[in-house]
Amino acid sequence: QQQVKQSPQSLIVQKGGIPIINCAYENTAFDYFPWYQQFPGKGPALLIAIRPDVSEKKEGRFTISFNKSAKQFSLHIMDSQPGDSATYFCAASKGGRRALTFGSGTRLQVQP
Amino acid sequence: DVKVTQSSRYLVKRTGEKVFLECVQDMDHENMFWYRQDPGLGLRLIYFSYDVKMKEKGDIPEGYSVSREKKERFSLILESASTNQTSMYLCASFPVGGTDTQYFGPGTRLTVL
Repeated sequence: QQQVKQSPQSLIVQKGGIPIINCAYENTAFDYFPWYQQFPGKGPALLIAIRPDVSEKKEGRFTISFNKSAKQFSLHIMDSQPGDSATYFCAASKGGRRALTFGSGTRLQVQP
Repeated sequence: DVKVTQSSRYLVKRTGEKVFLECVQDMDHENMFWYRQDPGLGLRLIYFSYDVKMKEKGDIPEGYSVSREKKERFSLILESASTNQTSMYLCASFPVGGTDTQYFGPGTRLTVL
């Protein structure tokens, strides 16, 4: 049973575009929702994270939108750049030990 | 800078071999995790540990075991490797009471022939 569903599987945008990646979760006990960015040959790195008491969080060009009633959250990348080309994973966790449940990943390609 | 290192970047083993994957972190983190990453499936939690000699099963523990004898080191063991364990293995660590950031190692790509 996949507890965090991520879409799309892949995404191609032009430089300056705004790619949007969506995730939906099932477990209402989740209380922490991070996004990770992974470049080829590297481990994932935390990009931005949100807790369910807020509906939006911005850090630089990256924004998370969170809809608690719909159990959905999404990542928006403003003014995307070729250097943003990577695989993005949403995740969710509950409790203090932070074992993460990941989505299946989105491969983003930003064309120059 | 937090550093999580994994003993090998690439590993090739034969079916039935016993395989050890080692992970070391240098930031005195209490929590350590092992995930496997497969295309289209994302990362799946195998085991995690929140203290020395403590371990908990994740979502896919079958065929794996772990060892944590020292706080900085967390080992993943494949008792008898099988071809369906060919995958990328990622280790991560996370401090109690920290910023909720999990720090990942670079991964070990294991191929079982």
